[in-house]
Amino acid sequence: AQSVTQLGSHVSVSEGALVLLRCNYSSSVPPYLFWYVQYPNQGLQLLLKYTSAATLVKGINGFEAEFKKSETSFHLTKPSAHMSDAAEYFCAVSGAPNFGNEKLTFGTGTRLTIIP
Amino acid sequence: ETGVTQTPRHLVMGMTNKKSLKCEQHLGHNAMYWYKQSAKKPLELMFVYNFKEQTENNSVPSRFSPECPNSSHLFLHLHTLQPEDSALYLCASSQGGGAPSSYNSPLHFGNGTRLTVT
Repeated sequence: AQSVTQLGSHVSVSEGALVLLRCNYSSSVPPYLFWYVQYPNQGLQLLLKYTSAATLVKGINGFEAEFKKSETSFHLTKPSAHMSDAAEYFCAVSGAPNFGNEKLTFGTGTRLTIIP
Repeated sequence: ETGVTQTPRHLVMGMTNKKSLKCEQHLGHNAMYWYKQSAKKPLELMFVYNFKEQTENNSVPSRFSPECPNSSHLFLHLHTLQPEDSALYLCASSQGGGAPSSYNSPLHFGNGTRLTVT
């Protein structure tokens, strides 16, 4: 079984400040991990994914995430927040490399608000 | 033309109505999905099709009936819905096909259909 927990359903940061969105996972096998972003009135869009290569993964729009096995975490960061980053962010875990998207488990999401 | 297109964007229906949601992808993908997104709940996978064959039915009530006539089109037929079925229904596609290289290939989502059941 696998699960993902996103700490904080709402996060607010000032424009230009560091963005940190937390994700912890549980998986009985080596995981594949993903961050998706959902802008208002749109579907989800892949930000980045971890597939057992480099532990620091760079994504689109200046975001990156670090896989820490000892902490079972995959937190999403961005050094400097921009107004356009306001959206909902979803962490997701897939149980194993040989499982497809039908085994992808999503977190409940974190809504990021940027304060001007 | 965007990658995954869903119509309609909004739908209001009574509990006795029958309606259909449509999804079309222009990405050459082989796998298509229906997800349900409700407030404060994780995204729920409903159905998966790979090469037009249904490979996953996540214990979805029979009042939701999917149809996949080809790899580019996916429908969700709705009948006798309940108010708790009100949600955002998202269609997605991915490379699919079954080869290891396609496992966990990124999902490409449409913008969803906002369904309200009255």
